[in-house]
Amino acid sequence: GEDVEQSLFLSVREGDSSVINCTYTDSSSTYLYWYKQEPGAGLQLLTYIFSNMDMKQDQRLTVLLNKKDKHLSLRIADTQTGDSAIYFCAEIFSNDMRFGAGTRLTVKP
Amino acid sequence: DAGVTQSPTHLIKTRGQHVTLRCSPISGHKSVSWYQQVLGQGPQFIFQYYEKEERGRGNFPDRFSARQFPNYSSELNVNALLLGDSALYLCASSLEGQSNQPQHFGDGTRLSIL
Repeated sequence: GEDVEQSLFLSVREGDSSVINCTYTDSSSTYLYWYKQEPGAGLQLLTYIFSNMDMKQDQRLTVLLNKKDKHLSLRIADTQTGDSAIYFCAEIFSNDMRFGAGTRLTVKP
Repeated sequence: DAGVTQSPTHLIKTRGQHVTLRCSPISGHKSVSWYQQVLGQGPQFIFQYYEKEERGRGNFPDRFSARQFPNYSSELNVNALLLGDSALYLCASSLEGQSNQPQHFGDGTRLSIL
């Protein structure tokens, strides 16, 4: 398909790990991004991964990339209530960035 | 250091009017991109500018136009507003607009069309 796809909702308990999945469209995408959006705000860049990498870790965040399946995931360790937000994956396509519809993460105390 | 700044933060217009949204990139960034985010969806690419030249355009009608100034700030103009233009308009800047340079977003302008 032509769309970057994400599951719409994820609910976890505080302290658990969260895994947000994404399927992107273009196997030639060079960089893949994860952004976080809190209510009423713009997009905050969380992390990104180059397409020749399988994994990237940045503190509580781990990005896994399966280029063969065009699958990207974001794992948040020790999820906190402050992590509640909408998470977008995005790929670079030509000169523009294509976003998924976003995954709403709810963290329950 | 200031991030990407956008003005105004909120705007209410009626159908048929036109609107101008403004964006100042992060200091040192030369590329600016505009996105439209309709409620419940991800951002959709409208334009990218680099060094005052249009580098990319998304699938939006000619009612949408933009420009970039010598100081790298940018304006997005929308004419003949429709109800469907109601959205959050996001501006993002990057160093030179290359794919390996992350885009940093402002908080957006929320446009409501009555």
